[in-house]
Amino acid sequence: DIQMTQSPSSLSASVGDRVTITCRASQNIGDYVNWYQKKPGKAPKVLIYGVSSLQSGVPSRFSGSRSGADFTLTISSLQPEDFATYYCQQGHGSPPITFGRGTRLEI
Amino acid sequence: EVQLVESGGGLIQPGGSLRLSCAASGFGFSDYSMNWVRQAPGKGLEWVSFISSTSSTTYYTASVEGRFTISRDNAKKSLYLQMNSLSAEDTAVYYCARETFPFGVTVAPYGMDVWGQGTTVTVSS
Repeated sequence: DIQMTQSPSSLSASVGDRVTITCRASQNIGDYVNWYQKKPGKAPKVLIYGVSSLQSGVPSRFSGSRSGADFTLTISSLQPEDFATYYCQQGHGSPPITFGRGTRLEI
Repeated sequence: EVQLVESGGGLIQPGGSLRLSCAASGFGFSDYSMNWVRQAPGKGLEWVSFISSTSSTTYYTASVEGRFTISRDNAKKSLYLQMNSLSAEDTAVYYCARETFPFGVTVAPYGMDVWGQGTTVTVSS
């Protein structure tokens, strides 16, 4: 199975900060990486699909990029509602699809 | 409004069976492949199963293969997950989720854009 190594596992930041979260794939997964935001008691919400495409309705402060096997989610200026857990997910080829272990973003 | 609503969760003894349902509304259900994803207490997200729009293709994660069965009824706009031989490791919130783009035959290459609110399955004696 393809592993997605996500870092950091937790991150403390303040409103207005720029933060980056990274996932490294254990093998080539093309551009099939997606990012989700998860809040307690709520369903996951897709933010970015296909490495860098912004899901409709998601604020433009969220962006995604790729450098080789490393995939990055960037939040340009943290807002209070952004404090949550973030997951990367790969959707390359044969199942299973896999998620990263998550990054808990807290104040 | 595009919506998915799960039901059928509950407390079940080890070895028991449960059937989850997911009712879709507000979109062309028969055009989209669907998934079940779960989150165990204090853990991350885990993909469980996939079914294509026509039910011709199904996939399962290894830990549920042979115990869980995914199905759908496009006329009823409903998705199901039959879970047998349940164990404590299956305790989780189960979400149904729609593929971001219609007519897909691979699992979530572009993610899942519509999710239900989740239904809780607790396996305990």
